[in-house]
Amino acid sequence: DAGVTQSPTHLIKTRGQQVTLRCSPKSGHDTVSWYQQALGQGPQFIFQYYEEEERQRGNFPDRFSGHQFPNYSSELNVNALLLGDSALYLCASSVGFQETQYFGPGTRLLVL
Amino acid sequence: QKEVEQDPGPLSVPEGAIVSLNCTYSNSAFQYFMWYRQYSRKGPELLMYTYSSGNKEDGRFTAQVDKSSKYISLFIRDSQPSDSATYLCAMSAGKQAGTALIFGKGTTLSVSS
Repeated sequence: DAGVTQSPTHLIKTRGQQVTLRCSPKSGHDTVSWYQQALGQGPQFIFQYYEEEERQRGNFPDRFSGHQFPNYSSELNVNALLLGDSALYLCASSVGFQETQYFGPGTRLLVL
Repeated sequence: QKEVEQDPGPLSVPEGAIVSLNCTYSNSAFQYFMWYRQYSRKGPELLMYTYSSGNKEDGRFTAQVDKSSKYISLFIRDSQPSDSATYLCAMSAGKQAGTALIFGKGTTLSVSS
């Protein structure tokens, strides 16, 4: 049973560029949430997708956007990258709106 | 004041010790409480899940929730070097208010053999 997968594992971008991160949920899961984890901090909620719609959003600017596809996979897009966007980006999946969320290994983004 | 407070440690214990990890929170709407374990450069792994107040045991791990005090704990018995990791508490208010998880900063645990 495949768990949550994310790609790429890491990448380096420069300020002002745009980035797209990808996530495939655990088999049988239909809800995807994205989190940002800065070094030495706990994950912070960005947004959650269910039935291809953004259902809940955390305190992140509009530069952060997402999408969910009919097969439940999801993308996180970040525009106009800032140095402060350097972090581990985590995808978590769940069934419907169940509280138990299972995380992928993350994508480590470095903005120079 | 942050919604969830967690002492970052580090916490160092000898193998076989009982470990106590704790979080406090301020939002009385939180009803669902989780503990995740995160190894270096990996994603968080769900360890324990508790709804409302009470205790839950799974092997060497026991989770306690005291909603009246807004305080949750994770106990690890007979700690092993493989338990060395960062432990994150997380909580949510549930379906009506959204299932976004609010995390503590994490406590770094080191178990020496």
